[in-house]
Amino acid sequence: DQQVKQNSPSLSVQEGRISILNCDYTNSMFDYFLWYKKYPAEGPTFLISISSIKDKNEDGRFTVFLNKSAKHLSLHIVPSQPGDSAVYFCAASATSNYQLIWGAGTKLIIKP
Amino acid sequence: EAQVTQNPRYLITVTGKKLTVTCSQNMNHEYMSWYRQDPGLGLRQIYYSMNVEVTDKGDVPEGYKVSRKEKRNFPLILESPSPNQTSLYFCASSPQGEGYTFGSGTRLTVV
Repeated sequence: DQQVKQNSPSLSVQEGRISILNCDYTNSMFDYFLWYKKYPAEGPTFLISISSIKDKNEDGRFTVFLNKSAKHLSLHIVPSQPGDSAVYFCAASATSNYQLIWGAGTKLIIKP
Repeated sequence: EAQVTQNPRYLITVTGKKLTVTCSQNMNHEYMSWYRQDPGLGLRQIYYSMNVEVTDKGDVPEGYKVSRKEKRNFPLILESPSPNQTSLYFCASSPQGEGYTFGSGTRLTVV
């Protein structure tokens, strides 16, 4: 049973518009959530995180929203740029053990 | 430069021939981990280590071994590789509770 789900394998967005990537989780013990970005032939790189005591965290063009009651988080990228084309992974952990549980990833394609 | 270094980047081997993928980090991180990435499954944890001489199984440990004799190194050992271990492997390190730093990956093909 997948504890972290990214239900959209891919997403296509026009350059300059907003990209919204979604992630759902099932384990109520998760209290720390991260987004990673991955280009082909490279390892994932950390993008942004949020702890369960917050419902929003912003870093430049990237904002992560957390809805604990719905067990849902989303990553917003505004405005989307061509360099944002990559696979985005959502990950979650319970800080008691620091192990990350990963979603399957969403491939974001930014169209010119 | 702070980094996680994996070697080799690419490896083709035959079934049953023992191999080791090395992983080294220069950030003095306590936590290290190995993942495999397969299409549609995301990153699945193979083994992790909370500190020197402390290792534990992740979600998919079968067919793999690890060791953590020094803080900086965390090699992944496949004693008898099989075709179902063909995958993209990532090593990662972290100061506990914070973001992970990943290596560039090792693409392994077992024929």
